[in-house]
Amino acid sequence: DTEVTQTPKHLVMGMTNKKSLKCEQHMGHRAMYWYKQKAKKPPELMFVYSYEKLSINESVPSRFSPECPNSSLLNLHLHALQPEDSALYLCASSRTGPDSNQPQHFGDGTRLSIL
Amino acid sequence: GESVGLHLPTLSVQEGDNSIINCAYSNSASDYFIWYKQESGKGPQFIIDIRSNMDKRQGQRVTVLLNKTVKHLSLQIAATQPGDSAVYFCAENSGGGADGLTFGKGTHLIIQP
Repeated sequence: DTEVTQTPKHLVMGMTNKKSLKCEQHMGHRAMYWYKQKAKKPPELMFVYSYEKLSINESVPSRFSPECPNSSLLNLHLHALQPEDSALYLCASSRTGPDSNQPQHFGDGTRLSIL
Repeated sequence: GESVGLHLPTLSVQEGDNSIINCAYSNSASDYFIWYKQESGKGPQFIIDIRSNMDKRQGQRVTVLLNKTVKHLSLQIAATQPGDSAVYFCAENSGGGADGLTFGKGTHLIIQP
């Protein structure tokens, strides 16, 4: 079992819908991440939060809106998505600190399908 | 742009044999490397990591080798078991602290009975 919990596991939505993906960890990690993974491809970084502040946005379209309400939670708000946004969305967390390389721990993802 | 890549997309080995999965990286600034295992329907699972000031690190049945001269990383799995069947990704981090990972293309390891 993973220590990073993502909900829902599956989500089907239309292009006009608004939905949110949720991620939770209780390992005391202060860095959290969103990745997108298409079928048979590696994960690709979308966003990084460090100490609840957005530190990296990999030029992600504004129809994806991340939010980090506290140190344990990370949300990804979705609005007006396109069919090509269908993918597995992975959340990860890690310890952080200056010059500290720590492994990222992943959840099992939300499989998103856009109709 | 700079990227992390893998030489073999699929690797088939007999149960009980050793397997070696290779990865080439091109970012000379990368100082931290991780191997992940991803099973169908699951997220990437941490296997082992290595920092650039090391050239070898061992875990339980796994060994990671780092050759900075040729920018090459490998994962050795000893005495493979059916449960080792999965896609294996190498990943690099060049930023230190909280930074995103750049993943290689992945190798699908198939364990033959």
